[in-house]
Amino acid sequence: GDSVTQTEGLVTVTEGLPVKLNCTYQTTYLTIAFFWYVQYLNEAPQVLLRSSTDNKRTEHQGFHATLHKSSSSFHLQKSSAQLSDSALYYCAPFMPNYNVLYFGSGTKLTVEP
Amino acid sequence: EAAVTQSPRNKVAVTGGKVTLSCNQTNNHNNMYWYRQDTGHGLRLIHYSYGAGSTEKGDIPDGYKASRPSQENFSLILELATPSQTSVYFCASGNRGYAEQFFGPGTRLTVL
Repeated sequence: GDSVTQTEGLVTVTEGLPVKLNCTYQTTYLTIAFFWYVQYLNEAPQVLLRSSTDNKRTEHQGFHATLHKSSSSFHLQKSSAQLSDSALYYCAPFMPNYNVLYFGSGTKLTVEP
Repeated sequence: EAAVTQSPRNKVAVTGGKVTLSCNQTNNHNNMYWYRQDTGHGLRLIHYSYGAGSTEKGDIPDGYKASRPSQENFSLILELATPSQTSVYFCASGNRGYAEQFFGPGTRLTVL
């Protein structure tokens, strides 16, 4: 069946250092789009990045991700983490059969001084 | 002005009672969704709708009903609330295709 895996539940990094949040997926559908959502404390989830183009880097708010259909991955990266990046991050592939997003279990990122 | 609103924002209910969570969107989106959020499980889809009069089951529909009386409104109904339904519930709207979903502020439900 279709699934999305975010391999780390909790990630802690020091301010100024790089961070990478992993996301892999398994789907029977060949053409899909991917989203990264971010949820700050006591707020609603909101879109951070989206991509539907294989091997194309997408950037927003200092974060970047590249959809690699060959390896079924859409990892989120940032070269220099900021304290304000502390939040819950969700990877979410679009499932065209049901016209819904399938959210991973989420990764809580904590950036420490 | 917020495009997706939810009411109530906080609710305490008793076991066996009926609970209705309401969602309104002014985005004129076709699709609306109800999720619950629990630590360790992320966002899980309960019910969704493609338009007025339609409701579809998501991944965890048991114990929940949904109603979409109009383009703007989508309700989640717990006929017999149980403590296991204590959670934060989010409503979202979106258009068909690869468009993103826009979330409401959430409702914190506690079932005692």
